[in-house]
Amino acid sequence: AQSVTQLGSHVSVSEGALVLLRCNYSSSVPPYLFWYVQYPNQGLQLLLKYTSAATLVKGINGFEAEFKKSETSFHLTKPSAHMSDAAEYFCAVSGTTDSWGKLQFGAGTQVVVTP
Amino acid sequence: GAGVSQTPSNKVTEKGKYVELRCDPISGHTALYWYRQSLGQGPEFLIYFQGTGAADDSGLPNDRFFAVRPEGSVSTLKIQRTERGDSAVYLCASSQGGAGEQFFGPGTRLTVL
Repeated sequence: AQSVTQLGSHVSVSEGALVLLRCNYSSSVPPYLFWYVQYPNQGLQLLLKYTSAATLVKGINGFEAEFKKSETSFHLTKPSAHMSDAAEYFCAVSGTTDSWGKLQFGAGTQVVVTP
Repeated sequence: GAGVSQTPSNKVTEKGKYVELRCDPISGHTALYWYRQSLGQGPEFLIYFQGTGAADDSGLPNDRFFAVRPEGSVSTLKIQRTERGDSAVYLCASSQGGAGEQFFGPGTRLTVL
């Protein structure tokens, strides 16, 4: 079965500091992995995705994530936090080959950015 | 429309009542998904359609939940005999094909009193 674990339900970072959000996955097949962001009262928006091409994936708003098979991790980073990065972030893994559309999400990490 | 839309945005109902939640996907998207997000948790998969048929309904919690997509576009999630535990935000997403990027709607917040 596919699953993801996000370490830390809340993260507080200073404006300009590194943002690091951790995600570990479990998958019976080579996974597709995703990071989504959810702003208050808005729908989920895709930040980036890993689909077995390059292991370092660049996304929108300056975010990137690195797929590490040996560590079963897909951590999200941004070198310098902006106030506008305050949101909830979700890591997700795709389903198996007969149900790719079935995303399994982590519990989410709420990011607070302080001036 | 430009994105996925869901109606109503909020629904308050009483325990035992029947509710319908509607999703309008992005035009041309063949795949449509329903998820449920409870407070403080990530979205939980319910069902996904490829065209008119349910390709995977393994996430529906019990037989009170049912979803249809009769013409391969709009979908309706139907909940019978609602319970307080059904209170959550119900999210809909659509994609071009089963492995495409999923675009999410803003959700319907269901409150069962």
